[in-house]
Amino acid sequence: EAAVTQSPRSKVAVTGGKVTLSCHQTNNHDYMYWYRQDTGHGLRLIHYSYVADSTEKGDIPDGYKASRPSQENFSLILELASLSQTAVYFCASKDSYEQYFGPGTRLTVL
Amino acid sequence: QQKVQQSPESLTVSEGAMASLNCTFSDGTSNNFRWYRQHSAKGLEVLVSIFSDGEKEEGRFTAHLNRANLHVSLHIREPQPSDSAVYLCAVNTNKVVFGTGTRLQVLP
Repeated sequence: EAAVTQSPRSKVAVTGGKVTLSCHQTNNHDYMYWYRQDTGHGLRLIHYSYVADSTEKGDIPDGYKASRPSQENFSLILELASLSQTAVYFCASKDSYEQYFGPGTRLTVL
Repeated sequence: QQKVQQSPESLTVSEGAMASLNCTFSDGTSNNFRWYRQHSAKGLEVLVSIFSDGEKEEGRFTAHLNRANLHVSLHIREPQPSDSAVYLCAVNTNKVVFGTGTRLQVLP
């Protein structure tokens, strides 16, 4: 059974709308991450968290907020979605050595 | 800040021929490198993790790390059409930095 799940798996949003992407892990890991993937850019870190109720900025946090209400759940929030935020978003949890990725969410902003 | 580059951007090989992918990085102080495989519209699958200079084999996948040359490679022995995917290199210094990926196509 998948240890890191994401919902929704795909979403179409309108410019200026609010989007929430959800991630749930059953690995009991402290660290969780949100990345976005664009063609030609690999994965880039948006936000991460190492404990519930705390989040940290990654390399490209502008336009995104994150929420970690519990160890298992980590959300990525786009308050005002923009065209440039069309991408595939990956969540991951991490133990001492490895990151474990979710299946990704394909977000299209129109 | 760590920069990770992969080459080639795309690679086509015939089934059974060796496939070789390259990754260069800018900060040689890391000792934590991984190769991932990503099938279309799927998540990332760890293929090989390597933590010291030299070679690490996981089945048909072999990573070679040379930190002095700022280089880590992945060699795929006897590639199959099911190995067609995007391959990502990741370097972990104080955080994980991914390369831009190599798209591999294996022809039957």
